[in-house]
Amino acid sequence: KQEVTQIPAALSVPEGENLVLNCSFTDSAIYNLQWFRQDPGKGLTSLLLIQSSQREQTSGRLNASLDKSSGRSTLYIAASQPGDSATYLCAVSPYNTDKLIFGTGTRLQVFP
Amino acid sequence: AAGVIQSPRHLIKEKRETATLKCYPIPRHDTVYWYQQGPGQDPQFLISFYEKMQSDKGSIPDRFSAQQFSDYHSELNMSSLELGDSALYFCASSSTEGQTINYGYTFGSGTRLTVV
Repeated sequence: KQEVTQIPAALSVPEGENLVLNCSFTDSAIYNLQWFRQDPGKGLTSLLLIQSSQREQTSGRLNASLDKSSGRSTLYIAASQPGDSATYLCAVSPYNTDKLIFGTGTRLQVFP
Repeated sequence: AAGVIQSPRHLIKEKRETATLKCYPIPRHDTVYWYQQGPGQDPQFLISFYEKMQSDKGSIPDRFSAQQFSDYHSELNMSSLELGDSALYFCASSSTEGQTINYGYTFGSGTRLTVV
């Protein structure tokens, strides 16, 4: 059974710091891995999608890497801003199923 | 660009009532998914449809049913509502373009259901 874990569960940092959020999954048989952002009580905004054949994806200040063989992904946020404060979820798309398996999330707070 | 549209945004129902949630996927997306997110929890997969046929099923209670219509919109019907059904319900859509790989999921803003 696929399990997805995110570390840390919560993070509070001053503005301007570079951050690394970690995601690990137990079964490497995945199509892709996706990082989402969720503001309190709001929907899920897709940040980055990494296909299983890819090693990383970049969008602005965000960079996500994928090491499928070791079951790990990291989301790197450069020069963090208060507007980055949200919960960040990673999710994997396993083979032979439609569903996304979500991690438990990292709750990020960036203070001025 | 068009996104996944869900309605209503908020819904308050009493116990044992029925609720219907609607989802309009991104045009030309062939797969629709429903997720339930309880307070402080990660989203849990309920059910999915590919080309209007149920394609996968998760932890969806027997009191819930869903379908996808000819215009690709989907509805989640929830009967005999319980207090524990209070949650955010998300719809997502994706495109496989006929292949096994998909190109990521786009989520709607969700419907917040409160059962009182």
